[in-house]
Amino acid sequence: SAVISQKPSRDICQRGTSLTIQCQVDSQVTMMFWYRQQPGQSLTLIATANQGSEATYESGFVIDKFPISRPNLTFSTLTVSNMSPEDSSIYLCSVASSYNSPLHFGNGTRLTVT
Amino acid sequence: ILNVEQSPQSLHVQEGDSTNFTCSFPSSNFYALHWYRWETAKSPEALFVMTLNGDEKKKGRISATLNTKEGYSYLYIKGSQPEDSATYLCAFHAGGTSYGKLTFGQGTILTVHP
Repeated sequence: SAVISQKPSRDICQRGTSLTIQCQVDSQVTMMFWYRQQPGQSLTLIATANQGSEATYESGFVIDKFPISRPNLTFSTLTVSNMSPEDSSIYLCSVASSYNSPLHFGNGTRLTVT
Repeated sequence: ILNVEQSPQSLHVQEGDSTNFTCSFPSSNFYALHWYRWETAKSPEALFVMTLNGDEKKKGRISATLNTKEGYSYLYIKGSQPEDSATYLCAFHAGGTSYGKLTFGQGTILTVHP
């Protein structure tokens, strides 16, 4: 299974600032998926990062707030822009190889916005 | 909006007890049902991906069953150990969606006391 390195592992940020989370995979993957878990909530898909094209965002998430880059088949970044306390969450990047395979996750970024 | 529910929300058992949790999901447009274990400060780890009605899967002391017609899955842990303490997540994969787009339940938090 893929090895996924995600950083930073945690951060405390002030409201109004932005944070970029990096995700590196040890093998080439077509799609990478960014999830978040707000306190007490379910893991929710933010967007799918596609190499060579714009990310596909889920309902309720917009590119201006969560810009994503995918420069190659092993790397992606997610930026949380103009942060507010509501953005305090665990952010996870993940990959899967096919329809019947499970998701493999990075260790997550635990973000607290004060 | 897809509704994936897990029960109970949390569970405390003694070492050696057997236990089980429930995941309910839409009975229409089913493609797959995933189970993950998420230990504190680690990344979610895949347990099972189940696709066929009546499917039963086993991994060591953990097993799962699937009923797609009525929309539920059970996860069983036999002879619980303290190291089984974690949050157990189920996730529904709807037909016609990309393979990384899962709808997660809120999880069952299991604590196994020595």
